[in-house]
Amino acid sequence: QITLKESGPTLVKPTQTLTLTCSFSGFSLSISGVGVGWFRQPPGKALEWLALFYWSDDQRYNPSLKSRVIITKDTSRNQVVLTMTNTDPGDTATYYCAHRLPGGWFDPWGQGSLVTVSS
Amino acid sequence: QSVLTQPPSVSGAPGQRVTISCTGSSSNIGPGYDVHWYQQLPGTAPKLLIYNNNIRPSGVPDRFSASKSGTSASLAITGLQAEDEADYYCQSFDGSLSSYVFGTGTKVTVL
Repeated sequence: QITLKESGPTLVKPTQTLTLTCSFSGFSLSISGVGVGWFRQPPGKALEWLALFYWSDDQRYNPSLKSRVIITKDTSRNQVVLTMTNTDPGDTATYYCAHRLPGGWFDPWGQGSLVTVSS
Repeated sequence: QSVLTQPPSVSGAPGQRVTISCTGSSSNIGPGYDVHWYQQLPGTAPKLLIYNNNIRPSGVPDRFSASKSGTSASLAITGLQAEDEADYYCQSFDGSLSSYVFGTGTKVTVL
């Protein structure tokens, strides 16, 4: 059974760096085609893809956020970490991580982690 | 920011059929691109509903079906049930943007 769970701060001050951790189990990130993606959903709004870490160690980013986001992997801990710099209130959202299958869809998703950016 | 357009809301009585459209372009729903659908129940994470345009994962009721034609896709729910009340999102990959993209989302209300 594949599971993912997000963890990190619930409140961040504007301009601070946000670090979120996705802890996963039930699959290997070294299997061809597999990946772990990060997404977010502002309250009442649509889903937005942020970044993806591929089995090949390739990292891809949403061009609209590329300069502020970094995705890394900790193989020994089965974790994928998202770092977002220079946050502002517009980054307030529920952040999700999800398992990417070779066909490009995501299943399953973590439960989500609500992050508020406010002074 | 979403490049895939969905109607904000659709509604239907129990037992009825509703459809949700997802309109894109040649760089995301055109030939060579697959569309996937997710159901998001209130207060929960998205759940995969359909992958590769029309395939239901194990456990998804067969009252959910989907199709793709040209640069649009659609999700149909037949025999609408109260438990189907949720937000639904389409998703694809945009080759021009080199980004995974989602639809604007559709809220399904069961009257």
